[in-house]
Amino acid sequence: DVKVTQSSRYLVKRTGEKVFLECVQDMDHENMFWYRQDPGLGLRLIYFSYDVKMKEKGDIPEGYSVSREKKERFSLILESASTNQTSMYLCASSLGGRAYEQYFGPGTRLTVT
Amino acid sequence: AQSVTQLDSQVPVFEEAPVELRCNYSSSVSVYLFWYVQYPNQGLQLLLKYLSGSTLVKGINGFEAEFNKSQTSFHLRKPSVHISDTAEYFCAVKRSSNTGKLIFGQGTTLQVKP
Repeated sequence: DVKVTQSSRYLVKRTGEKVFLECVQDMDHENMFWYRQDPGLGLRLIYFSYDVKMKEKGDIPEGYSVSREKKERFSLILESASTNQTSMYLCASSLGGRAYEQYFGPGTRLTVT
Repeated sequence: AQSVTQLDSQVPVFEEAPVELRCNYSSSVSVYLFWYVQYPNQGLQLLLKYLSGSTLVKGINGFEAEFNKSQTSFHLRKPSVHISDTAEYFCAVKRSSNTGKLIFGQGTTLQVKP
């Protein structure tokens, strides 16, 4: 089975802190994605990556950056956390030619106080 | 631009009853359509997909969906639900010419009551 793991299930940070969310997949997938999930808004794409060191902005990249130094790992960075970034963050991965069939991690619920 | 609308935020239903979760999309180009399911405290998993061919697609756990191009809909159905089907369901669309992004709907919470 494909496994996508996220470093924390729950995280509490203070406003202004730099926050790192880590995601690792074990199936050699080329594509990796970061979403945030908010009630009534569904999932919104923050960033995605098709290859190592390659990234593209999604629909809501403001306030976020990403890093992909190794194929299996995709990190989401909040440079200066704000309360409006309190949310559930989901990481996903997929094969290169099947970007629609994404495998998701369990999510990290981030609270910024 | 593409968008996806899930018409019901919550659908309560009794066990063994049929259910339909509605999804409409807007796009001027050919699309691929998907339903994902999120069980409590888990990530999403793919339930079923429509890429081409037969407009009636079957997925896991007895679910099926029908692609209706004229009505731009992709409703999800199950003839008899179980308690274990309680989850949040997301409809998603992707342009067939695009290698990347899925656009997700707002989600529908299916609550199956005993």
